[in-house]
Amino acid sequence: EADIYQTPRYLVIGTGKKITLECSQTMGHDKMYWYQQDPGMELHLIHYSYGVNSTEKGDLSSESTVSRIRTEHFPLTLESARPSHTSQYLCASGELGQETQYFGPGTRLLVL
Amino acid sequence: SQQGEEDPQALSIQEGENATMNCSYKTSINNLQWYRQNSGRGLVHLILIRSNEREKHSGRLRVTLDTSKKSSSLLITASRAADTASYFCATDSTGANNLFFGTGTRLTVIP
Repeated sequence: EADIYQTPRYLVIGTGKKITLECSQTMGHDKMYWYQQDPGMELHLIHYSYGVNSTEKGDLSSESTVSRIRTEHFPLTLESARPSHTSQYLCASGELGQETQYFGPGTRLLVL
Repeated sequence: SQQGEEDPQALSIQEGENATMNCSYKTSINNLQWYRQNSGRGLVHLILIRSNEREKHSGRLRVTLDTSKKSSSLLITASRAADTASYFCATDSTGANNLFFGTGTRLTVIP
């Protein structure tokens, strides 16, 4: 298991709430990623970062935002959650120049 | 899928049998990786094969890559119940900032 952590693991909230999904890694990796994955489906990249103060949108349009103030943290925020945001969110990290990604356990989000 | 697909979508075998999963992709790649995902968990990296390699082994895993056909296969020999999981291929292409994941194969190994 990689040293990358996500909290909460499970979250059930009502529509309109603001939420932040936490991701942290202790490997000193510069690259970090957020993926969205519906059950039994492929992963879709929604955000990535190649270092502090660097954030980019991924291939899948998302209403979420991210920040990278510290190397080890890459939180994802939804300002106003909707049922369409219900999904699993996976965080990953990797070293610059290396292709392998290390994944956290994921956060399962249910918006009622 | 942006990059490709895996087949079969689901595979069920008896413990001890071999499992073969295939991955097809659409564009030229630098390398291809296979990941495993247990239900409700994150992905775990299994093996990476570069575009200039044709075959690679790691324990009970054997990966082949055919760049002319834009396809790869993952063979798990002597399967165990603990191999039950979803398996994803992921490709890395020049100019791309991220990996593109396939649709996954759900493997069930029956004890």
